[in-house]
Amino acid sequence: DADVTQTPRNRITKTGKRIMLECSQTKGHDRMYWYRQDPGLGLRLIYYSFDVKDINKGEISDGYSVSRQAQAKFSLSLESAIPNQTALYFCATRAAGGQTQYFGPGTRLLVL
Amino acid sequence: ELKVEQNPLFLSMQEGKNYTIYCNYSTTSDRLYWYRQDPGKSLESLFVLLSNGAVKQEGRLMASLDTKARLSTLHITAAVHDLSATYFCAVDILNTGNQFYFGTGTSLTVIP
Repeated sequence: DADVTQTPRNRITKTGKRIMLECSQTKGHDRMYWYRQDPGLGLRLIYYSFDVKDINKGEISDGYSVSRQAQAKFSLSLESAIPNQTALYFCATRAAGGQTQYFGPGTRLLVL
Repeated sequence: ELKVEQNPLFLSMQEGKNYTIYCNYSTTSDRLYWYRQDPGKSLESLFVLLSNGAVKQEGRLMASLDTKARLSTLHITAAVHDLSATYFCAVDILNTGNQFYFGTGTSLTVIP
């Protein structure tokens, strides 16, 4: 089984809809991250969390919110989706004191 | 404005040839990471470079870091088809392992 899982893997939604992307991990890491990937732009950090009580904004947090329900779960919400949020979204984890981030398989989101 | 620039963006090379991918960044950082992404897949960590002069090698890939020049290189030796992928560098701007800025990626195609 994969260490970092994301659901759904693909999602089509309409402008104005609320949508939640979920990330779960079995690695026991306390650091978790949400990124979006757009063609030609690399990955950009949306939010990151050190633990359930510590949430931090990244480079592009506007239009997004997150929830760290447990050490193993980190959810990303789009309260009112817009077409320019169409992208590939990745969750990642990292152990405290570790250097490597481990990425989930990604969620491909299309906002019509 | 923070910039992480990779070049080339696209690279087509023949098997057996050598080539170098460059990653320039515009802010002070002692930590740089290289990732590989296969088409439709997630990101896989390749190298973690944590100090000036750091050099890491794995198979046909070798990465180095010059923090004074704000430059990292990923050198490919005797390329093989299996190395075809997109390669990203990422800079840890706060040296804390939490705020990563990614380059735009280099799409490498190795032609038999």
